[in-house]
Amino acid sequence: LAKTTQPISMDSYEGQEVNITCSHNNIATNDYITWYQQFPSQGPRFIIQGYKTKVTNEVASLFIPADRKSSTLSLPRVSLSDTAVYYCLVEAAGNKLTFGGGTRVLVKP
Amino acid sequence: DVKVTQSSRYLVKRTGEKVFLECVQDMDHENMFWYRQDPGLGLRLIYFSYDVKMKEKGDIPEGYSVSREKKERFSLILESASTNQTSMYLCASFRVTEAFFGQGTRLTVV
Repeated sequence: LAKTTQPISMDSYEGQEVNITCSHNNIATNDYITWYQQFPSQGPRFIIQGYKTKVTNEVASLFIPADRKSSTLSLPRVSLSDTAVYYCLVEAAGNKLTFGGGTRVLVKP
Repeated sequence: DVKVTQSSRYLVKRTGEKVFLECVQDMDHENMFWYRQDPGLGLRLIYFSYDVKMKEKGDIPEGYSVSREKKERFSLILESASTNQTSMYLCASFRVTEAFFGQGTRLTVV
């Protein structure tokens, strides 16, 4: 049973806000929610992580509702260089990371 | 900055060869992982290690082994390379819940 479910792909335009929602209905009490970004021919790169409520850094925001059964990654004012695959992961500290299929985001001019 | 270095960016090997993929991290992390990534299949976990001389099988360990003699180095070994092991191989080390990946090794077995 997949731990997370996220859309396969999303298209956007430069300057728009992109929101990617991830479902994780079976999240456990000690699980964290982490998002990674991957460009072609590179390894994934950590973007943001949260446990509950809202987290913001210089790259993105992460919104987590009280029940923690979903989360939304928000990328403000995307540019062409934000075209990548975005992965949502739910894991406890020290556990192995299991990557799903990710969401392929295409930013158009 | 944490650095995870994989020994080769591109590698071409012949069927039946023994292949070593090396990964070194410079942040004293205990946890290290090896993944392979193929189009349409995402990242799949091959092996991981929580400490020196410790190893655990991931989801697809068949045809692979690993070695962790020193904390900073985690090697993936293809005992007898086959064409179905042609793939992008990614190494990662962990700090609590954050993974740091190497640049990847694209291995082609001919």
